[in-house]
Amino acid sequence: SQTIHQWPATLVQPVGSPLSLECTVEGTSNPNLYWYRQAAGRGLQLLFYSVGIGQISSEVPQNLSASRPQDRQFILSSKKLLLSDSGFYLCAWSPPWVNTEAFFGQGTRLTVV
Amino acid sequence: GESVGLHLPTLSVQEGDNSIINCAYSNSASDYFIWYKQESGKGPQFIIDIRSNMDKRQGQRVTVLLNKTVKHLSLQIAATQPGDSAVYFCAETGGTGFQKLVFGTGTRLLVSP
Repeated sequence: SQTIHQWPATLVQPVGSPLSLECTVEGTSNPNLYWYRQAAGRGLQLLFYSVGIGQISSEVPQNLSASRPQDRQFILSSKKLLLSDSGFYLCAWSPPWVNTEAFFGQGTRLTVV
Repeated sequence: GESVGLHLPTLSVQEGDNSIINCAYSNSASDYFIWYKQESGKGPQFIIDIRSNMDKRQGQRVTVLLNKTVKHLSLQIAATQPGDSAVYFCAETGGTGFQKLVFGTGTRLLVSP
């Protein structure tokens, strides 16, 4: 069966520090991969998605970047965090070639102080 | 989408009541719709889905209704329980080729004993 792992679960980082959140998927090949952000008490905002290795689509201009160095690995990064980067970050995957549901990781709560 | 900056609307019900959560979608090309449940501090979990060739689909205690004419989706929860308290999101996708999953504004469901 397929599983998605996202870490760390919580993170407190000072303003101006770098960020690296990692997400891996097991049990499937060539998944579509997504990074979402959710501010407290609000909806899900799609940040990045990828349909293959090295392919990244950005949905909104921001202080973040994403990379997909391996088929089932998706990384969210920042060189210098801002206070406004605080939020709940969710990684998700969906099967390739078909439009179907996405499966979410447990999320990372990032607090920038 | 554009609604991610808004605070979530809240639906408050008594235990045992039936709950109806509504969602409007905007893309006429969408042909696959999903309802997710998100508990506090966790990633969204799949509840039920429906394709555009159907107008109703039932699961265990949940029913999804789709009205393509007015681009409206609803989730009905029968005999609501305190464990149903969560944020509920609708999502849509569809069309040809890869189409990202687009989330609507969530609704917070509060169930009182």
